[in-house]
Amino acid sequence: DQQVKQNSPSLSVQEGRISILNCDYTNSMFDYFLWYKKYPAEGPTFLISISSIKDKNEDGRFTVFLNKSAKHLSLHIVPSQPGDSAVYFCAASASNDYKLSFGAGTTVTVRA
Amino acid sequence: DTGVSQNPRHKITKRGQNVTFRCDPISEHNRLYWYRQTLGQGPEFLTYFQNEAQLEKSRLLSDRFSAERPKGSFSTLEIQRTEQGDSAMYLCASTVYREHNEQFFGPGTRLTVL
Repeated sequence: DQQVKQNSPSLSVQEGRISILNCDYTNSMFDYFLWYKKYPAEGPTFLISISSIKDKNEDGRFTVFLNKSAKHLSLHIVPSQPGDSAVYFCAASASNDYKLSFGAGTTVTVRA
Repeated sequence: DTGVSQNPRHKITKRGQNVTFRCDPISEHNRLYWYRQTLGQGPEFLTYFQNEAQLEKSRLLSDRFSAERPKGSFSTLEIQRTEQGDSAMYLCASTVYREHNEQFFGPGTRLTVL
């Protein structure tokens, strides 16, 4: 069963504008959430994470928001740059084993 | 470069053959995970090790799959009697075992079973 869902398979955004990626989860045991970025022929690269005790975490152009009651998180990228074009995966883990459950990914295309 | 490395990067084999993949984690990382990714999907957990101990195996890991991590260093994933459904990207990740921490992924091994 898919415990982490990314319902938008693709997103196209103009350079300089904001990219918003969404992710929903079903497992109440998840208490740590991550975003990974993946280029073709490479492994996923860690981008940013958030613990369930927080509702926001920022790192430069990237901000992740967590809404525990809605079991929803989002990633904001502002401003979007052409190098941000990649597949973005949302992932979640629980404290009992830390293995990651991934969403299916969202392909972001930043238009010049 | 001290990242996670995986070999080979690509493997093409005929159905019924055995294949083995290797993962070298970041040296101080004591946890090692294997994932499998098929087209259009995110990575799916297969198994993980704490040092040399294999702590969990997913139900995705049939009896044809076996993984080892001798001496808690590199790890191997073997698939016996490969099937076309085994075609996928096999990803290895490592991390330091402590309260939540990001996993660092290798570049993956792309398996194609003909």
